[in-house]
Amino acid sequence: SAVISQKPSRDICQRGTSLTIQCQVDSQVTMMFWYRQQPGQSLTLIATANQGSEATYESGFVIDKFPISRPNLTFSTLTVSNMSPEDSSIYLCSVVLVSRTDTQYFGPGTRLTVL
Amino acid sequence: EDKVVQSPLSLVVHEGDTVTLNCSYEVTNFRSLLWYKQEKKAPTFLFMLTSSGIEKKSGRLSSILDKKELFSILNITATQTGDSAVYLCAVENNNDMRFGAGTRLTVKP
Repeated sequence: SAVISQKPSRDICQRGTSLTIQCQVDSQVTMMFWYRQQPGQSLTLIATANQGSEATYESGFVIDKFPISRPNLTFSTLTVSNMSPEDSSIYLCSVVLVSRTDTQYFGPGTRLTVL
Repeated sequence: EDKVVQSPLSLVVHEGDTVTLNCSYEVTNFRSLLWYKQEKKAPTFLFMLTSSGIEKKSGRLSSILDKKELFSILNITATQTGDSAVYLCAVENNNDMRFGAGTRLTVKP
């Protein structure tokens, strides 16, 4: 398995501000993803974080709102920009390991509340 | 430390069999337990459980939570090849959400 850490673990933010969430993995990974889990809804894929190039966004998500960086194989950031209360959610980083490509591992999540 | 453990890690059955997947947890400030089915990209939500002893049912799938013994089971009856997937259990508390490693179910014709 892998140890995946996310920072911050939780935050409360004012609307209109931005928050950057970090994801760090202790193993070599092939793929990194960002999800969100909103209250009462299913887990939703935001984007695939690509190393050294622009992330691949799912329908309904855009780079201006959720800029993503992945400077190397084991680290990625997701920024939630110009936040509104509708962005309140748990944001999860997930990875596929080089050593085990048939399994997706999830980080502990970042609980974001936007006032 | 909070943790979620799923068993078995993998399971191979034949169509028509019934399977039981297990999820045990040690989590402070428990809020809910969720089951997901993952086939390709994003996991698909199956159930959310918050109360002990109340079975949630959807077609051939059902799930129940035991908050005293800290576990949940997911049952699939009359399995079909389309049930082949990784089934993920996640536990939500006041701070975050912990996922188990998943159970890979393979249903053979």
